[in-house]
Amino acid sequence: KQEVTQIPAALSVPEGENLVLNCSFTDSAIYNLQWFRQDPGKGLTSLLLIQSSQREQTSGRLNASLDKSSGRSTLYIAASQPGDSATYLCAVRKLGYGGSQGNLIFGKGTKLSVKP
Amino acid sequence: DTEVTQTPKHLVMGMTNKKSLKCEQHMGHRAMYWYKQKAKKPPELMFVYSYEKLSINESVPSRFSPECPNSSLLNLHLHALQPEDSALYLCASSQRGQGAGRTEAFFGQGTRLTVV
Repeated sequence: KQEVTQIPAALSVPEGENLVLNCSFTDSAIYNLQWFRQDPGKGLTSLLLIQSSQREQTSGRLNASLDKSSGRSTLYIAASQPGDSATYLCAVRKLGYGGSQGNLIFGKGTKLSVKP
Repeated sequence: DTEVTQTPKHLVMGMTNKKSLKCEQHMGHRAMYWYKQKAKKPPELMFVYSYEKLSINESVPSRFSPECPNSSLLNLHLHALQPEDSALYLCASSQRGQGAGRTEAFFGQGTRLTVV
């Protein structure tokens, strides 16, 4: 059974600091891994999608890496800003057929607070 | 347009009421999902529709009844809910078919449901 773990559960940093969020998964049979941002009481905003065959993806100040063989992904945020404060969720899309294709398995998230 | 729209944003209902949640997307996605998210927890999959047919029901109680009237719409009919059903209900969509497992999932902003 696929399990996704995110460390740390919470992180508080001063503005301007670079930071790394960690995600690990137990089964390497995945299509891809997706990082999401969730503001309190809101839906999920997709940040980065990294395919199982890729090593990293970049979007602006965000960089996600994937090491499928070791079951790990990191989300690097450069020059953090107070507006980056949110919960960050990683989710893996497990390999499957028919109706199970594409189902996402989520970690519990890392709650990030960036202080001015 | 990469938007998934959910209505209403907030809903308060009594335990004897019947209500419906609505989700709409116009990205041509043929897979649509309902997730339930309790406070400080990750989203949990409830139902998956693939090509307008129910393909996965994650042992959800019958007081939740999904419906997919066409390829753009997904409803969740609610009846005789319990206070513990109060949560954020998220709708998502993604592509289906060959290669679809590699594509991105998009989420709506959710409906905050309170059962009194």
